[in-house]
Amino acid sequence: GAVVSQHPSRVICKSGTSVKIECRSLDFQATTMFWYRQFPKQSLMLMATSNEGSKATYEQGVEKDKFLINHASLTLSTLTVTSAHPEDSSFYICNALGGSEQYFGPGTRLTVT
Amino acid sequence: LAKTTQPISMDSYEGQEVNITCSHNNIATNDYITWYQQFPSQGPRFIIQGYKTKVTNEVASLFIPADRKSSTLSLPRVSLSDTAVYYCLVGAGMDSSYKLIFGSGTRLLVRP
Repeated sequence: GAVVSQHPSRVICKSGTSVKIECRSLDFQATTMFWYRQFPKQSLMLMATSNEGSKATYEQGVEKDKFLINHASLTLSTLTVTSAHPEDSSFYICNALGGSEQYFGPGTRLTVT
Repeated sequence: LAKTTQPISMDSYEGQEVNITCSHNNIATNDYITWYQQFPSQGPRFIIQGYKTKVTNEVASLFIPADRKSSTLSLPRVSLSDTAVYYCLVGAGMDSSYKLIFGSGTRLLVRP
């Protein structure tokens, strides 16, 4: 069946640096990509929605200049956490939607030191 | 988007049937009901989806009463590996942009 991958699976970075997370749909075309983050023991929180070739739409309270989303192709979307701080440490999960296919990626654990 | 309410946690034992009920009083006419399972440090995994009555697949059954204001996920004969968080979501069906909004979920613990 359809698979969505994320890279890296876990990353540790220093405060003030930027980190890019990739999300790929492996055998279907994802016209829409949703990005979530999840803090320990909490539910998934939707951050933004991106459609291929368009600017992302951010949920209330999510800084668009801090969380840069690019969805330049139907199989790849990236989330860049800019000037990361320890409070950005979280589990980031993408959800790819294409036609009737919709799958979550395995997640990326970001730790900012 | 309809809000959902689920029990925060449930305990069970291996081999038992587990029923998790979700309330969604404001469900819209075109909303589907979908359940996901999530293990620690993994992305959610689709379990089952339905619109009305009963849906069954190889892992679970979904019961939806006529008024659709609630739904029950039934897991037959659970095992230790079914320990996970289960999320009930309602929203537009598969033929439109399906923005999944997660509630708090139900943390199921299966004991030996």
